[in-house]
Formats: sequence, C-alpha cells, structure tokens
Amino acid sequence: DTAVSQTPKYLVTQMGNDKSIKCEQNLGHDTMYWYKQDSKKFLKIMFSYNNKELIINETVPNRFSPKSPDKAHLNLHINSLELGDSAVYFCASSQLSLTEETQYFGPGTRLLVL
Amino acid sequence: GENVEQHPSTLSVQEGDSAVIKCTYSDSASNYFPWYKQELGKRPQLIIDIRSNVGEKKDQRIAVTLNKTAKHFSLHITETQPEDSAVYFCAASYTNAGKSTFGDGTTLTVKP
Repeated sequence: DTAVSQTPKYLVTQMGNDKSIKCEQNLGHDTMYWYKQDSKKFLKIMFSYNNKELIINETVPNRFSPKSPDKAHLNLHINSLELGDSAVYFCASSQLSLTEETQYFGPGTRLLVL
Repeated sequence: GENVEQHPSTLSVQEGDSAVIKCTYSDSASNYFPWYKQELGKRPQLIIDIRSNVGEKKDQRIAVTLNKTAKHFSLHITETQPEDSAVYFCAASYTNAGKSTFGDGTTLTVKP
C-alpha cells in the first residue's frame, strides 16, 4: 500500500561505478520528480517528468540520466559516480491541477560513494 | 527563476512556546506555498499549504500566513511539543509548473 516507493534504500559503491535507483508510485499521479538532499539537508530538484515527458531539468551533470517508462515509474541512472554524488535521493510524485499539487515523497535512497 | 529564502536555519524553543519560520520568494507569479516537515531519517511530508488567494490558513496548532505584496509567508506553530522537532521546508511554485523551489530548511528543536 506504499504510495511512493524507491529501491534500493541504501547504496554503497566505489567511485567510477554506474548505478540505478528505481521509483514507483501507485497514486495515479501524472508528475514525478527526483530530488537530491545533501549533507546540509538542502533539498534540490534535479528532474521533473509529466506524463513521461521531461519538463524540468535543472543544472545536473550529464552523468545523471532519468528514464520514465510509464507514468508510474521514474528511474535514475548515474554513470561514473563521484564522491560528491553521495547524498540522499528522493523521488516524489504529484498531480498537477488547479487545486492539488502536494508532492508525495518516497523514503529516499542513501547513496554513499567511496 | 524562483528563489526562496528561509529563516532562521536553526530554531530552538522550549516546549509549550511558539515557533515562527519565515520565507520570502522572488517570483510574483508563484501562487502555491506548501510547508513540509522532515523528521530525522524520514521523508518530507506536507503539513500545511496555502494558495495566493488566501491570506491565512490554520490547522490545529499550525498556521500559515501569506503576504503577496511583500512576497513572504510564514509558518506558525503554537504550543510546541518535542515531536515537532524536525526540519521544516517552505516551497513556492505556480500552478501546473511541475516544479517547486524549496527553501534551505529550518531545523526546529523543541526542548522538553
């Protein structure tokens, strides 16, 4: 019954590796997001997808590539991981409308790059 | 683009006191202002929101006020309890933009 789920919950990997994080929502929302939360707790948007189409792409390195196979899924692939990529990555979803824009966050994926 | 500034970055109050967190935004087109609470190790969750056609909204011990002219909005928590201790984020967006700009967060500590 989890609304927004992410896997894995924890990810420990070496510099230079490639890794993926998966996100799924069962709320029927049309918009999904990826956020990065660093050690200072700042919450920064990375990407936003609406009906599988990329609508927001903040200044994120090309090593980060999101993919939305359908409205309910938004995955994040990261190439050539760097130390500075260590953070908590949150997926979120919302239904864009005139009356409802609440974002529902997943539990987060704690990425540690060694 | 939108810029949201949030103050203070840390706030410590005694149980039972009130806490106020303030945010300012730069884009006058923004019309939706949510507040999220993030407990330690957990995900951010919406606690209250306000739209630009309303000046104040209250939900039990939590209230939010909005001043569109001055482009600032505030979160008020009355009768604080230790379980209110968390990081609070304000955000600003405009309808159907598909993007919310978050403030940098306020770490609230309520001392028993």
